[in-house]
Amino acid sequence: QVQLQESGPGLVKPSETLSLTCTVSGGSVNSGAYYWSWIRQPPGKGLEWIGYIYYTGSPNYNPSLKSRITISIDTSRNQFSLNLRSVTAADTAVYYCAREQIYSSGGSYHDFWGQGTLVTASS
Amino acid sequence: DIQMTQSPSSLSASVGDRVTITCRASQSISSRLSWYQQKPGKAPHLLIYAASSLQSGVPSRFSGSGSGTDFALTINSLQPEDFATYYCQQSYTTPLTFGGGTKLEIK
Repeated sequence: QVQLQESGPGLVKPSETLSLTCTVSGGSVNSGAYYWSWIRQPPGKGLEWIGYIYYTGSPNYNPSLKSRITISIDTSRNQFSLNLRSVTAADTAVYYCAREQIYSSGGSYHDFWGQGTLVTASS
Repeated sequence: DIQMTQSPSSLSASVGDRVTITCRASQSISSRLSWYQQKPGKAPHLLIYAASSLQSGVPSRFSGSGSGTDFALTINSLQPEDFATYYCQQSYTTPLTFGGGTKLEIK
């Protein structure tokens, strides 16, 4: 059974960088069958896709965040990471990592998720 | 970006009821739609992918339908554990986008 686990600070000061890592167990990030995604959810609100990375290291970012984010992958450690720069209170959210399964007709879906980690942007 | 509009935003129903939640895309997304269930304090859980394919392990009382711009999630014979928030999500193009959610509450 694939498991994902987010790790990183729960509190980030405004204007600083949010850094999270997702560790994958029970499966390999070094596979062409999946994207490795980050999704966030502000308290009491809906879900927002942040972006994903492919095992080759090729990323795809949400344009609304593109100027501030970097997603990277470390296949040797079976991890992928998110950096979000210049955070504000609006970036306060539960951040989830997820495996995005690609299917034959070109679509995808998130079949395994981490438990989520609350990151608060506050001084 | 493709906008996903769910309705209703909230719904009250009783155990044993049949309920339908709809999701409309701002442009055609073929069948590239998935449905998720989320309970408070938990990560979303995949129910349906490719509009109508049931994820392994999901009870058969859940079903999905639709293509193009209009989709539906139907739950037959509601069980107590089904009261949660439901989200649709399109994967036709990036940025991937989610509907605003439908909160299903006990009547």
